[in-house]
Amino acid sequence: SQQGEEDPQALSIQEGENATMNCSYKTSINNLQWYRQNSGRGLVHLILIRSNEREKHSGRLRVTLDTSKKSSSLLITASRAADTASYFCATVIQGAQKLVFGQGTRLTINP
Amino acid sequence: EAGVTQFPSHSVIEKGQTVTLRCDPISGHDNLYWYRRVMGKEIKFLLHFVKESKQDESGMPNNRFLAERTGGTYSTLKVQPAELEDSGVYFCASSRSYRNNEQFFGPGTRLTVL
Repeated sequence: SQQGEEDPQALSIQEGENATMNCSYKTSINNLQWYRQNSGRGLVHLILIRSNEREKHSGRLRVTLDTSKKSSSLLITASRAADTASYFCATVIQGAQKLVFGQGTRLTINP
Repeated sequence: EAGVTQFPSHSVIEKGQTVTLRCDPISGHDNLYWYRRVMGKEIKFLLHFVKESKQDESGMPNNRFLAERTGGTYSTLKVQPAELEDSGVYFCASSRSYRNNEQFFGPGTRLTVL
């Protein structure tokens, strides 16, 4: 079974609003990473949060991690049309280096 | 620095044919990973090289898939013979030698098996 599950599967909001995406996972992790994929392009690394961290910021991005609930959230503030993309969470489980991805959230920002 | 590159960007082949995908990692990155996304499913790990050695190949679906990384630089992933269910996007990623670091992804190769 997959390690990460994301919620919602699709999200459509107006430009300027905030977008929140959630990710849950099953096993103990070393870190959790968020990636973005624009249509037809590769995956772009957004942010990495380690298992001993609870919150991290990068520009308009805010990531939280709750290891007790095995969940993470990605908040994009003041969304822009260019934020339209698919967003994936990926975990690095303890003892491994491979990424285990969720199915992703398709985010659409409407002008 | 140049990013991870993959070739070709698209490949359309018929069932039973052979296809070889290539990945050039970022220079100096010892770790190289292959992932794939089959239509409608999540991105799944295939295997991990550390330099020229296979560190983890637990995600390789079957023996029709062969990955190599001769000399510890670029890597190839060969599918022989290709089947319909092999269609999808194959991603390559690389990272530096220390743990808990981010992986840099290439643009992917879209493989279509007819």
